[in-house]
Amino acid sequence: GAGVSQSPRYKVAKRGQDVALRCDPISGHVSLFWYQQALGQGPEFLTYFQNEAQLDKSGLPSDRFFAERPEGSVSTLKIQRTQQEDSAVYLCASSFPGGASGKDNEQFFGPGTRLTVL
Amino acid sequence: AQKITQTQPGMFVQEKEAVTLDCTYDTSDQSYGLFWYKQPSSGEMIFLIYQGSYDEQNATEGRYSLNFQKARKSANLVISASQLGDSAMYFCAMREGRYGGATNKLIFGTGTLLAVQP
Repeated sequence: GAGVSQSPRYKVAKRGQDVALRCDPISGHVSLFWYQQALGQGPEFLTYFQNEAQLDKSGLPSDRFFAERPEGSVSTLKIQRTQQEDSAVYLCASSFPGGASGKDNEQFFGPGTRLTVL
Repeated sequence: AQKITQTQPGMFVQEKEAVTLDCTYDTSDQSYGLFWYKQPSSGEMIFLIYQGSYDEQNATEGRYSLNFQKARKSANLVISASQLGDSAMYFCAMREGRYGGATNKLIFGTGTLLAVQP
């Protein structure tokens, strides 16, 4: 079946511009995660949804970052008034919790959106 | 706070040889999961192997094995018979709770860049 997809793959924004990044999780996956990966670093957690409920947004770096998943499937990460420090790859991952093995909670990652703020 | 440490920024290995990528972790939880992901230049995170904190045997998945030493809080990845296609970034990650905590979020290390030489 289809994996996690993200669009756009690349986004160049001028400083101060608003951007919206889209994530299509694997069909039926309840959990959805957003991560931010700066150049040369590991991904860092931003926020987590279980269906349409945003249960954890502790990783969002500022109130300029906003995420939603209104119908429990597609999610959008919005960044307002972008700054140069927002330049990074934004990764989306989904998982279907449950099962006896922790591996069943494996997160499947999309290809990411590379955001460059000039 | 939970933390993953990967002390090898880069590694070289000859094709067909085995290589060990180091990972140490810090957590106060008794129940947790450890993951290894591969990230090729295309950017997508590819799941390799999982180890639960209560699993008594080291995990193996094909050419990948995880050397889990709980008392030392280490979870090193061993790749046997390296192939040119193994050249990529490798990330160790931890999730609290064997079956997933409230969030299931992953904490990643900074990664190790592996280069396989012919």
